[in-house]
This record gives sequence, C-alpha cells and structure tokens, in this order.
Amino acid sequence: AQSVSQHNHHVILSEAASLELGCNYSYGGTVNLFWYVQYPGQHLQLLLKYFSGDPLVKGIKGFEAEFIKSKFSFNLRKPSVQWSDTAEYFCRGSQGNLIFGKGTKLSVKP
Amino acid sequence: DVKVTQSSRYLVKRTGEKVFLECVQDMDHENMFWYRQDPGLGLRLIYFSYDVKMKEKGDIPEGYSVSREKKERFSLILESASTNQTSMYLCASTPLVGTEPYNEQFFGPGTRLTVL
Repeated sequence: AQSVSQHNHHVILSEAASLELGCNYSYGGTVNLFWYVQYPGQHLQLLLKYFSGDPLVKGIKGFEAEFIKSKFSFNLRKPSVQWSDTAEYFCRGSQGNLIFGKGTKLSVKP
Repeated sequence: DVKVTQSSRYLVKRTGEKVFLECVQDMDHENMFWYRQDPGLGLRLIYFSYDVKMKEKGDIPEGYSVSREKKERFSLILESASTNQTSMYLCASTPLVGTEPYNEQFFGPGTRLTVL
C-alpha cells in the first residue's frame, strides 16, 4: 500500500543542535513531496516542497530537505534549531489520497 | 493573502446530534479536503472534492458525509455524532494546476470537536 513514514514520533533537542527528521515514501510514479509544520495553536503551513529538478530543496526559516530516490527518502534538516522551531512536522506525498505521515513532534529546549 | 476559514474553533456536541462543520476558502481553488487530526495518527483524509457537487471518499469516510454546493464552501456532516469522533478537524484547499491537483494545500485553523 502507498504510504509515507515518519520514523521519529518525538524528538527533543537543545538550541543550536542540528536537526534531521526522517521521511520515507513507498510509491512509484511521479513523486511530489512536502513538509508542513504546525506550530502550537496555529494552522499547518508549508515548509518546503519537491516536485522535480534539484533534489536539495530549501524552504522557509532555514529548513532544507533532500530527495534521495534510491532511498525513497525526503529527510528534513536544519543546521541549528531554535526554541521557536518547537512544533509538529508532517511529511506528505502526492499519490492517491494525499498521504500524510503521522507527524514528528520537535521540542527544542532553550 | 490566501485564506481558509472554518466556522468554529471549538465545538461541543452530544452523542447522536447532527453536526455541521463549515469551511470557506477565498482563493477560487478547485479542490477542497477534510481531515481529522489525532495524536499519534497524523492527518487522515475523510473526504475531498475536486469540483462543485463532486466528492470522493478518503481513507476514513465512515460516519461522515460532505456537501459542496458552491466552489468556495465545503461542509463536513456528522449525521449522528459519536464519542469516537472527538477530534481536531482540518479543512484544506488546493488549486488545480494544469491536470495536477496535488499541489500545496492551504489549511484552515481547525475545529476541535468534543462529543460527549
């Protein structure tokens, strides 16, 4: 079955630590991938997206993600997190019914 | 600035009541979606619509129905609310770009529904 998997349910980091959140997809054909973020009490908003071309995608607020086709992965990275990055992060694919991963909660300690 | 609005931020209903959740977008988007968001389960698609009066079942349509009489408005209906429908409900819309409907989604703020 088509799916998008996020391996980490809850990640706790200290400020200035580097971040990498995993996302794997399991479908073929055209691959469009997205990362969304939901800050506490706010609506989901787009961080970045990959449609084609350069597999390294830069998004808002210093986030980036790399599409690695051979690994079916689209991991989200940030070199140095801030307390304000505390949020829930969702990976989304574009096959079938717009599959979302189950989300990863990121807590950043000041 | 794109905008998706939902009729209520918080709603409390009793078991067996009929519940209407309304969503309106002002971006002239063709596609609209209803999700529920539960801790540890992420977002699960209930229904979506790609045109007025058109609807498609998502992954968890049981116990829900939808209505899209106008392009900007997409309603989610719980015919007889049950306690297991207590959840956060999110509406989203996306434009149809060429023939590709699966584009960036714009989300509303959500409605937290509690069924007692």
